[in-house]
Amino acid sequence: DVKVTQSSRYLVKRTGEKVFLECVQDMDHENMFWYRQDPGLGLRLIYFSYDVKMKEKGDIPEGYSVSREKKERFSLILESASTNQTSMYLCASSLGGEEVWQYFGPGTRLLVL
Amino acid sequence: DQQVKQNSPSLSVQEGRISILNCDYTNSMFDYFLWYKKYPAEGPTFLISISSIKDKNEDGRFTVFLNKSAKHLSLHIVPSQPGDSAVYFCAASGITGANNLFFGTGTRLTVIP
Repeated sequence: DVKVTQSSRYLVKRTGEKVFLECVQDMDHENMFWYRQDPGLGLRLIYFSYDVKMKEKGDIPEGYSVSREKKERFSLILESASTNQTSMYLCASSLGGEEVWQYFGPGTRLLVL
Repeated sequence: DQQVKQNSPSLSVQEGRISILNCDYTNSMFDYFLWYKKYPAEGPTFLISISSIKDKNEDGRFTVFLNKSAKHLSLHIVPSQPGDSAVYFCAASGITGANNLFFGTGTRLTVIP
């Protein structure tokens, strides 16, 4: 079974703090994704990566950056957390090619005070 | 602009009856469609998918129908069970090389015992 793990289930941070969200997958997947989920807005893509050290902006990259130094690990960084970044953050991975479905981690619920 | 739309934010169904969840899309280049199920405080899990070359795919109690001319797909759950209560997201793929998925905003299904 594919396993996608996220470093924290719940986080509380202060406005202006730098926040790191870590994601690890164990199936040698090429592609990794970061989404945020907000009520009424569904899942919105922040950034994705289709190879080590490669990254592409998604629909809402402002205020975020990412890092993929190793194939299994994809980190999301909030450079200076703001209250409007309070959300559920979901990491996903996919094999790529003809297999398009993505496997999701359990999510990190982030509260920025 | 939302390319995948779920216009019903919520749906309530009696146990044993049929649940029908609907999804519309705007981009005719999408060639693969998926449904995900999400429980609170968990990541979405893949449920069922359909390729654009088919108009129906069935897996146990779950059937997905695709109407390409109307750019519409639906998920039928028969019979509905209380454990099916969750948020359901439809997603579409096929227009970028990294297997990006475009998600709808979700429909919360409540199955009443």
